[in-house]
Amino acid sequence: DGGITQSPKYLFRKEGQNVTLSCEQNLNHDAMYWYRQDPGQGLRLIYYSQIVNDFQKGDIAEGYSVSREKKESFPLTVTSAQKNPTAFYLCASTPGGFLNTEAFFGQGTRLTVV
Amino acid sequence: AQTVTQSQPEMSVQEAETVTLSCTYDTSENNYYLFWYKQPPSRQMILVIRQEAYKQQNATENRFSVNFQKAAKSFSLKISDSQLGDTAMYFCAFNNAGNMLTFGGGTRLMVKP
Repeated sequence: DGGITQSPKYLFRKEGQNVTLSCEQNLNHDAMYWYRQDPGQGLRLIYYSQIVNDFQKGDIAEGYSVSREKKESFPLTVTSAQKNPTAFYLCASTPGGFLNTEAFFGQGTRLTVV
Repeated sequence: AQTVTQSQPEMSVQEAETVTLSCTYDTSENNYYLFWYKQPPSRQMILVIRQEAYKQQNATENRFSVNFQKAAKSFSLKISDSQLGDTAMYFCAFNNAGNMLTFGGGTRLMVKP
């Protein structure tokens, strides 16, 4: 079955460390997204990519970095510059173009700074 | 840039009754999609219903229906015969031809027995 896989489900980071969250999709989707969700809050866009080797900053990109070297993969690195990284992170993808633009989501990664 | 606004942070409804969640959006584009997603405590995002902007007919999915007012840029979700399993966060979302997916701040819905 096609879908989006995020790993790990839970991640703990020491202050000052960089960590990378994985997002892989086998849906052949062109566009991929990373969102941050704080407790009781909505989804805020961190980065998105509409095509391989291209990505754009979202509303809260500071302290984060991404790459899109393969269509299937869109990893997110939370750097030490992100002052408050504890949150729930969701990865999503859409097919691209203008056909059936429903977004598919991974199950999320909960990141905690210890 | 597109914006999506959900003006009701929290709502509650008695089981079996009907509730309407509000959503407004701002865009200069003519062709786009609108969605309602449900996020239960498991945090998995579940698509509830989808509306294409070029379709005048309001979308329906079983107990879920929308009231899409394109001129007013309004996209409300009506849940009929509310069930305890409908308790969740509900997000309104907008997607355009450029694939910029934007979400509202969410409405927390509590269905009371």
